[in-house]
Amino acid sequence: DIVLTQSPATLSLSPGERATLSCRASQTVSSNLAWYQQKPGQAPRLLIYDASNRATGIPARFSGSGSATDFTLTISSLEPEDFAVYYCQQRTKWPLTFGGGTKVEIK
Amino acid sequence: EVQLLESGGGLLQPGGSLRLSCAASGFTFSTYAMTWVRQAPGKGLEWVSSISADTHTIFYADSVKGRFTISRDNSKNMLYLQMNSLRVEDTAVFYCSRGASSTWFDYWGQGTLVTVSS
Repeated sequence: DIVLTQSPATLSLSPGERATLSCRASQTVSSNLAWYQQKPGQAPRLLIYDASNRATGIPARFSGSGSATDFTLTISSLEPEDFAVYYCQQRTKWPLTFGGGTKVEIK
Repeated sequence: EVQLLESGGGLLQPGGSLRLSCAASGFTFSTYAMTWVRQAPGKGLEWVSSISADTHTIFYADSVKGRFTISRDNSKNMLYLQMNSLRVEDTAVFYCSRGASSTWFDYWGQGTLVTVSS
């Protein structure tokens, strides 16, 4: 199975700051990686697909980069509504797998 | 507007069975692969099972293989998950989502809670 390791587990930042989240794959997934945002009590929401493409309606402050085994989700300037848990996911090989998540919390 | 609405969750004892349903609307259901993803309380997301648009291709996580069965009825725009031999560790919110390996999970239902406890 492809294991996705996200770091850090928790990121404590203030509104307006830049957030950098990492996702590392145990083997190459090419660009077959997505990022999801999940707020408490809500379903996940697709943010980024194919490593760097923003999903429909996602603000430009969210950006994704990387390929092969190392990926980054960047939030350029945190808005109050961005404090949430973020997951990466790969679709290169079955079983489809998610990372363990990074919680972005208010400092 | 794409909508996915899960139902069928509940409280049951270990060893029991349950069938989850997901009603899809707002898109051509018969042309999309569909997936069940679950989330144990306070934990991360876990892929459970996916089914292709034509039902010919199905995958299961090892943790549910042999106990869960995914199916769909394209004439009714419905996705199902039959869960047998349930275990305490199956306790989770189960989400229905559009997509699988060829498309991303771009739409999700609100989830239905399955609690397995004695």
